[in-house]
Amino acid sequence: GDSVTQMEGPVTLSEEAFLTINCTYTATGYPSLFWYVQYPGEGLQLLLKATKADDKGSNKGFEATYRKETTSFHLEKGSVQVSDSAVYFCALSDRGGYQKVTFGIGTKLQVIP
Amino acid sequence: DSGVTQTPKHLITATGQRVTLRCSPRSGDLSVYWYQQSLDQGLQFLIQYYNGEERAKGNILERFSAQQFPDLHSELNLSSLELGDSALYFCASSVTSQGDGYTFGSGTRLTVV
Repeated sequence: GDSVTQMEGPVTLSEEAFLTINCTYTATGYPSLFWYVQYPGEGLQLLLKATKADDKGSNKGFEATYRKETTSFHLEKGSVQVSDSAVYFCALSDRGGYQKVTFGIGTKLQVIP
Repeated sequence: DSGVTQTPKHLITATGQRVTLRCSPRSGDLSVYWYQQSLDQGLQFLIQYYNGEERAKGNILERFSAQQFPDLHSELNLSSLELGDSALYFCASSVTSQGDGYTFGSGTRLTVV
């Protein structure tokens, strides 16, 4: 079945540091890929997405590129801020039919001033 | 406000009891998904409904059931509650699941004592 593997946290960075959160996936077919963010006490919010190979999703300074050859969708940001502290979930959705979205376990990011 | 409404926000109940969680999807969304989020198991898919019909089932216990009504709101019923059922329960909605991503509600925190 479909699965998403992402690095376990917590990840602690200083403000303005470079962020990478690794994500790899296993899926049949050609899934859509997502990053969701969950701020404390809130539900998950869609951060960015990519629907086909070599697509780059971007939002709020975050980027991730759909790499079919390595089945990866790593999240990056050049300069993190304290307000980026949250839990980040990598996810995939098999297109076709009414398939559910499969989430990774989540990576907690803490940014310190 | 994401447009997905979940009630109640918090629920404290005793073991053996039954509770009902409610979700109103974003306007225009036909699919509703229920997820359970616990510290040790991450985000677990429970069940999906599309326009009133069950479409996919995940790791949902037999003690749990759900339905989607003609006005598209959904209810998740949890019975014979155990301490291990304490978790955050999220509802999400989408027009379809085909690459669109979900919109999440803010969740119901269930505490079983």
